[in-house]
Amino acid sequence: GAGVSQSPRYKVAKRGQDVALRCDPISGHVSLFWYQQALGQGPEFLTYFQNEAQLDKSGLPSDRFFAERPEGSVSTLKIQRTQQEDSAVYLCASSLVFGPVRGYTFGSGTRLTVV
Amino acid sequence: ILNVEQSPQSLHVQEGDSTNFTCSFPSSNFYALHWYRWETAKSPEALFVMTLNGDEKKKGRISATLNTKEGYSYLYIKGSQPEDSATYLCACPAGGTSYGKLTFGQGTILTVHP
Repeated sequence: GAGVSQSPRYKVAKRGQDVALRCDPISGHVSLFWYQQALGQGPEFLTYFQNEAQLDKSGLPSDRFFAERPEGSVSTLKIQRTQQEDSAVYLCASSLVFGPVRGYTFGSGTRLTVV
Repeated sequence: ILNVEQSPQSLHVQEGDSTNFTCSFPSSNFYALHWYRWETAKSPEALFVMTLNGDEKKKGRISATLNTKEGYSYLYIKGSQPEDSATYLCACPAGGTSYGKLTFGQGTILTVHP
């Protein structure tokens, strides 16, 4: 596609519910990142894939968070037993190459509200 | 842990004013500095990626400078327009095995009043 597509745009979950957030990167983009942006803060790194390999998951806040990219294209971020502190905008970004010397293309994000 | 800071946190200007804001980052182990513009309900859009000390980049009315020795970058907007209203984010990649992972500042929220 023309850009990075994320779905759903908005998600309201009851505390304790499991959610799955989808990211469809630009076709052929090797690198894929997930970021979490809490209100009033800058985006914070969650995890990074190069093709299907998850190279860095150091930013995942707890073992309730899980991400996958099984075929090296679409990625899913899953949050189990959601808590109120999980409320945030979840951004996905992709890049054609590995490395930070080109700008990343971001999706519009999924705004998760846990009630 | 990389510490990237932006100032001011928010800024209100009148249409036609020129404005600038700052991004500070550690000067050691510098790889690159990214600037993004994030309009409400849209995707963050890459403005510039800067890598060399003294770099100056320009895109229309927006320009940026980079000083890697002292660890700062300035973003300038000349003749602000209401459509420039957005959050402006800067970010630096980490090094080593986290090469490519960006650490963002908290952003500068710019509001341009007609």
